[in-house]
Amino acid sequence: QVQLQESGPGLVKPSETLSLTCAVSGDSISHYYWSWVRQSAGTGLQWIGRIYTSSSTTYNPPLKSRVTMSVDTSRNQFSLRLSSVTAADTAVYYCARDRIPRFDDTSVYQPGDWFFDLWGRGTLVTVSS
Amino acid sequence: EIVLTQSPATLSLSPGERATLSCRASQSISSYLGWYQQKPGQAPRLLIYDASNRATGIPARFSGSGSGTDFTLTISSLEPEDFAVYYCQQRSNWPPTFGQGTKLEIK
Repeated sequence: QVQLQESGPGLVKPSETLSLTCAVSGDSISHYYWSWVRQSAGTGLQWIGRIYTSSSTTYNPPLKSRVTMSVDTSRNQFSLRLSSVTAADTAVYYCARDRIPRFDDTSVYQPGDWFFDLWGRGTLVTVSS
Repeated sequence: EIVLTQSPATLSLSPGERATLSCRASQSISSYLGWYQQKPGQAPRLLIYDASNRATGIPARFSGSGSGTDFTLTISSLEPEDFAVYYCQQRSNWPPTFGQGTKLEIK
């Protein structure tokens, strides 16, 4: 059974960098595409970015200048860094898996479908001094 | 960016009744729409993808329909565990976006 678990500080000061990690258990991280999604009362659900290798990332344009995602295949985990945070970045942050694996049963590449069928439990990050 | 508008904001029904939730896109998204269920303190759960396909393990009482700009999630006969918030999400145009949600509450 594949599971995702977010971890990281629950409190970050304004102007500092938010850092979170998502540990993947039960499957190899190289098999899928991985995203971060956040949820706040103000903006609802917002997709932040997606990664499958450290050089293969795509970010939501409003956040692109502040976001960095990376993968650690040896630890089977991926990470999010969001710089220069403000109170508007206070949210529950989820890591999530794309529904379709990167390769099918015959090893043919698949681009993924951007629907998220597996989520972590989420972690609340509050930005406050 | 595509905006998804869900209606109604709140839907009050009783167990056993039929629920119909709507999602309207600001431009055509073909059939590239999904539906999620979220209960308090939990992550969203994928119910429907590509407008009408049930995700793995989703009961048959959940069904989706629509294409273009207008989509519907139907729950044929509400079970007590179905009372939650429902979100739609599009993947037609990058970046993927979500609707603001419909709260399905017990009447």
